[in-house]
Amino acid sequence: QVQLVQSGSELTKPGASVKVSCAASGSTFTAYAINWVRQAPGQGPEWLGWINTKTGNPTYAQGFTGRFVFSLDTSVSTTYLHISSLKAEDTAMYYCARPRYCSGGSCSPAMSVWGQGTTVTVSS
Amino acid sequence: QSVLTQPPSVSGAPGQRVTISCTGSSSNIGAGFDVHWYQQFPGTAPKLLIYGNSYRPSGVPDRFSGSKSGTSASLAITGLQAEDEADYYCQSYDGSLTGSIFGGGTKLTVL
Repeated sequence: QVQLVQSGSELTKPGASVKVSCAASGSTFTAYAINWVRQAPGQGPEWLGWINTKTGNPTYAQGFTGRFVFSLDTSVSTTYLHISSLKAEDTAMYYCARPRYCSGGSCSPAMSVWGQGTTVTVSS
Repeated sequence: QSVLTQPPSVSGAPGQRVTISCTGSSSNIGAGFDVHWYQQFPGTAPKLLIYGNSYRPSGVPDRFSGSKSGTSASLAITGLQAEDEADYYCQSYDGSLTGSIFGGGTKLTVL
């Protein structure tokens, strides 16, 4: 059974940084990509981008370049989301999610496996 | 403001049929990109409900169906049950933004 397990909640101050982890189990880690999605309270999901777990190549959504960085450690089948210079508007639930399928380096946008989410709260 | 527009809320009585619309534009749904639907209960992650406009993942009841036409898509739920009360989101790809986009969500209330 494929599973994505994320790190615990984070309470941080404006200007600080945070690193969220997403550990995969139950499937070949490098066969799929990992998407990062955030959802602010009462809002719809917002796609941040994805990382190719075979090559480590990240793709960022418009508006999420610079402060948002994806990385991975294939030795522990884990993907990371690093957010720097945090702002109050970054307060949200952050999810990692696996595409339904990947083939030839491209993946379906549909996400069939989700992590449980990591709450990031930015408050002074 | 979401790129995909959904009604904020819909409601129906048990056993009834409801539909949720998802309106996009010529750079996403109208460009031929697939629409996917998710169901989300409070405090939990979204769950893939429909992919590729009309396909159901294993385990999703056939009471749920999806369709797409032009720049819009719809999710239909027949034989409404109390357990269907949740938030529903549509998702597609936008060629101008070169990335995935989501709707703002629709809250389904079972009366």
